[in-house]
Amino acid sequence: DQQVKQNSPSLSVQEGRISILNCDYTNSMFDYFLWYKKYPAEGPTFLISISSIKDKNEDGRFTVFLNKSAKHLSLHIVPSQPGDSAVYFCAASGRTGTASKLTFGTGTRLQVTL
Amino acid sequence: EAGVAQSPRYKIIEKRQSVAFWCNPISGHATLYWYQQILGQGPKLLIQFQNNGVVDDSQLPKDRFSAERLKGVDSTLKIQPAKLEDSAVYLCASRSRTGLFGEQYFGPGTRLTVT
Repeated sequence: DQQVKQNSPSLSVQEGRISILNCDYTNSMFDYFLWYKKYPAEGPTFLISISSIKDKNEDGRFTVFLNKSAKHLSLHIVPSQPGDSAVYFCAASGRTGTASKLTFGTGTRLQVTL
Repeated sequence: EAGVAQSPRYKIIEKRQSVAFWCNPISGHATLYWYQQILGQGPKLLIQFQNNGVVDDSQLPKDRFSAERLKGVDSTLKIQPAKLEDSAVYLCASRSRTGLFGEQYFGPGTRLTVT
């Protein structure tokens, strides 16, 4: 039962253009969402997050959008840079019970080309 | 500030053998997690500690996996006996009490190959 889904396993974008990574979730109890970035042979690193009370959160070149009614979120990277090439994981959490437990998607590999 | 340390980085064992992984979280981080990441999948939580107590081990295959966090600092994850399907990267992560909700700091992982 995949509660967090990233349906695009890979994405290729030209340097300077916008990268849009998508994520869908099925569990309506999720109310906090995060994006993690992973380089080869390293652990994931936190990138940006959004609470369900918001529909947008921005941090520099990175913006996350949340559409609760559609159970969909997206990460926009503008402009894309070669150093952004990595695997991006969407993760979700509910604040009840084991409060900080994260459920991860399967990841999208982003390649930014010159 | 030193990051999350894990060892070994790589391990190859035969099925039915035992293996142990070690994790040293960021100093002062009370919460520690062990994740299993199978190739092509996202990390899956195995166990979560708060100090030296277990908060969530609902996805830990307890017939073969065990974990402990003595004195609320370092942690070890053991598999005994290993199966072929245990081949994965085992990630340790930690989180501080005051950190942003959900923000976990991950170590580089241990890549386990069971043959």
